Amino acid sequence: RKEVEQDPGPFNVPEGATVAFNCTYSNSASQSFFWYRQDCRKEPKLLMSVYSSGNEDGRFTAQLNRASQYISLLIRDSKLSDSATYLCVVNADYKLSFGAGTTVTVRA
Amino acid sequence: DAGVIQSPRHEVTEMGQEVTLRCKPISGHNSLFWYRQTMMRGLELLIYFNNNVPIDDSGMPEDRFSAKMPNASFSTLKIQPSEPRDSAVYFCASSRSYEQYFGPGTRLTVT
Repeated sequence: RKEVEQDPGPFNVPEGATVAFNCTYSNSASQSFFWYRQDCRKEPKLLMSVYSSGNEDGRFTAQLNRASQYISLLIRDSKLSDSATYLCVVNADYKLSFGAGTTVTVRA
Repeated sequence: DAGVIQSPRHEVTEMGQEVTLRCKPISGHNSLFWYRQTMMRGLELLIYFNNNVPIDDSGMPEDRFSAKMPNASFSTLKIQPSEPRDSAVYFCASSRSYEQYFGPGTRLTVT
């Protein structure tokens, strides 16, 4: 079983739509959680950390459910520039475990 | 502040040749990571250094791979001899807490 599982998508949405996706993780001892964004042929970039109480960063909202070992990301009012692969990332000690990514394509 | 710097950005080499990838972490970061990314296997951690000391090299595929960090501002990943299955993008990342920051990567092609 993979440590982090994600729906690969793709999610194709029109500009202005809301899109949400999630991931699950297997290590109950995981300590911190992140969403990274990766554009084609570029490096992963930290989008946001995910806190137990849930957190927002502009149009992005992340939620964490430790009991179900489930993390979600919601993008409101999506922009063309949101098109990317979103990586769910889980930290246990120093080690980051990456999901395979969810591809989002926002169309005009 | 400059981000993580990697060189070369692209490397094409023939099977059997030695390849050396270089990384300069963000100043003040005490942890450095080498990753490999392929379509088939996604992002894989190869090795992790903390305060210039290798802590976990369990992800290094085999003895052909070696990594060093002689000081806080420089690390190398060497493949000798290289094989076509080593073709991938190799990322270096650094951190001072849980959040890691990635360099632009080295795209390696072994023919």
